[in-house]
Amino acid sequence: DAGITQSPRYKITETGRQVTLMCHQTWSHSYMFWYRQDLGHGLRLIYYSAAADITDKGEVPDGYVVSRSKTENFPLTLESATRSQTSVYFCASSVGAGPGANVLTFGAGSRLTVL
Amino acid sequence: LAKTTQPISMDSYEGQEVNITCSHNNIATNDYITWYQQFPSQGPRFIIQGYKTKVTNEVASLFIPADRKSSTLSLPRVSLSDTAVYYCLVALSGGSYIPTFGRGTSLIVHP
Repeated sequence: DAGITQSPRYKITETGRQVTLMCHQTWSHSYMFWYRQDLGHGLRLIYYSAAADITDKGEVPDGYVVSRSKTENFPLTLESATRSQTSVYFCASSVGAGPGANVLTFGAGSRLTVL
Repeated sequence: LAKTTQPISMDSYEGQEVNITCSHNNIATNDYITWYQQFPSQGPRFIIQGYKTKVTNEVASLFIPADRKSSTLSLPRVSLSDTAVYYCLVALSGGSYIPTFGRGTSLIVHP
C-alpha cells in the first residue's frame, strides 16, 4: 500500500531492552523524521534524515539511534530503553525542498511503554 | 530558526468561525507558513500552506499580512469534529531544514 507505515503500533518492553521502531514510506521522499509526543508537550524532533546515509540530531536525540541505508526506511532504535522513553513516536516524510518542504506526511504512530 | 508563538488553547461553539493566530517575527523572505491539525491518537495532518496574502482550500483559509510577522488560520463554521490541536510551522529557507512543531493550539468546540 502507498503511504507511510509504522510498526509496531503498540509495544511494551522492559527497562534496559533494545527496541526498534520501523518506518517505511513509498513516495521516495528525501526527508524523513522521527518525533516523540508526550502528554503536555507538542511533537519533539528526535532525529531526521535528508537522504539515504545522511542523518542528523534533532531536539532530543539522547538514547536513540537511527539509520537510513535505503531511502524508504528509517528505523529508530532505543538501545537500552528507559521509562522516560515511554511515549508515542511518530515518523514523517517530506519532499524536503521548495514549497513542499514543510508538508510532512505522518505515520499513525507507535505507542511505546517501558516498564 | 523562525520561532512561532500560538495560544495554548481556545474554545468555540459549533457553527462559529475560529481564528487562530501564529506569530513569527523573524520569518525569512522565502519561508512558507504551514498549518497542521492533530486529532487524539493520530499523527498530525497537513491543512494549509501559504507564503503571502490569502490562501483558501476546502478546509480552511490562511491570512498572511504584508509584513508576514504573523498569520491567521481561519476555520469557518466549526463543528465538534474540528476539536483538535493546531500547529503553525515556518519553513526554513537555505541551510538545513528542521521542522519544529511546538505545543500548538488546543481547540475545543462545544455543542
